[in-house]
Amino acid sequence: NAGVTQTPKFRVLKTGQSMTLLCAQDMNHEYMYWYRQDPGMGLRLIHYSVGEGTTAKGEVPDGYNVSRLKKQNFLLGLESAAPSQTSVYFCASRKGQMNEKLFFGSGTQLSVL
Amino acid sequence: AQSVTQPDIHITVSEGASLELRCNYSYGATPYLFWYVQSPGQGLQLLLKYFSGDTLVQGIKGFEAEFKRSQSSFNLRKPSVHWSDAAEYFCAVGTGNQFYFGTGTSLTVIP
Repeated sequence: NAGVTQTPKFRVLKTGQSMTLLCAQDMNHEYMYWYRQDPGMGLRLIHYSVGEGTTAKGEVPDGYNVSRLKKQNFLLGLESAAPSQTSVYFCASRKGQMNEKLFFGSGTQLSVL
Repeated sequence: AQSVTQPDIHITVSEGASLELRCNYSYGATPYLFWYVQSPGQGLQLLLKYFSGDTLVQGIKGFEAEFKRSQSSFNLRKPSVHWSDAAEYFCAVGTGNQFYFGTGTSLTVIP
């Protein structure tokens, strides 16, 4: 009964390095989301997916790429990290209807030096 | 564009006092409305939601919220705050497969 699992929990990168954040859910949810949380900014949507093989841009997609090759996994990639991408990243998922709640992971704290 | 405004960045209340956290949204139709709570170092947990019907909705931990269409508001209330309610609270609007969050209100509870 894991819910939404994010790996890694912490990461420090140097400017220009690349990395992938993994989000895995075991609830057979169709919809998955990547958010970033910054002080005073709340949560902002980066990318989302409405099902396996689909992705769509959110509010702040620049500098990020995503893939949803398997229904249970949603990957967030940073090809060339920048200090502006220092943030806490949250993955979330939901089953189907818009009135259903989001299930959140515990977050990934990323620092880009 | 859709937007969610939480005008209070930080609120301090005494334990046992009542609480109201404000949320205003901008959206053409009746949106799906949510309140989430975030404890330090944790993800967000749903407190309550509204999508139709009775405009006063009850949630977990003794919280309630009232949808007022005329004011485009969805304020969160609790009659008596407990020390364990100290956290960050986020209002959210759901529309078109996306969810838009406010900037959050940080709640401090004084013993």
